[in-house]
Amino acid sequence: QLQLQESGPGLVKPSETLSLTCVVSGGSISSSDHYWGWIRQPPGKGLEWIGSIFYTGSTYYNPSLKSRATISIDSSKNQFSLKMSSVTAADTAVYYCASLETASYADKSGYGKNWGQGTMVTVSS
Amino acid sequence: QSVLTQPPSVSGAPGQRVTISCTGSTSNIGAGYDVHWYQQLPGTAPKLLIYGNTIRPSGVPARFSGSKSGTSASLAITGLQAEDEADYYCQSYDSGLSGSTVFGGGTKLTVL
Repeated sequence: QLQLQESGPGLVKPSETLSLTCVVSGGSISSSDHYWGWIRQPPGKGLEWIGSIFYTGSTYYNPSLKSRATISIDSSKNQFSLKMSSVTAADTAVYYCASLETASYADKSGYGKNWGQGTMVTVSS
Repeated sequence: QSVLTQPPSVSGAPGQRVTISCTGSTSNIGAGYDVHWYQQLPGTAPKLLIYGNTIRPSGVPARFSGSKSGTSASLAITGLQAEDEADYYCQSYDSGLSGSTVFGGGTKLTVL
């Protein structure tokens, strides 16, 4: 069973860059059995897909966040990261990382099989 | 406003059966893309409940089942238990605009 743990600053100033890391244990981040994603949840609201990355480095982003989000992978540390630039108060949320798998040929989104516990990020001066 | 529409809330008494709908369109569920479901207990991360429209991961009770028809999907919970009180989210892929993974707005299940 894969385990994931997010880490990063809990407070980020407006207009700055949010940086989070997700460390994976219990399996290799370079395995082709999984890929990796970031999802966020503003306080009291629903889930929002940020993006995903394959072990090859290929990335897919939510079009509404694509211009500000960057997901990268570090196989040597068995971790992947999220950077989001020019943050505003609207980016205040719990950020989750997850391992993703594909259910079938008809599954273009993948599903989150294992999730981190989430980390709260507040954007405020 | 979510591309996938869920009722904000549903409720049921212990032992009853409830269903949660996830209504999409021809650019997501109706296009044939798989639907997945998650359960989120208060203060915790989402937990995978159903994937590939109907498949239960190991460890998920058989009381939970998923179905899909046309542009909608449904999650059914039978033999409702107090511990089922949680938020439930559907997820799929939407090919509109640039294409993206999308979530429903979530449904709060209250066990009366």
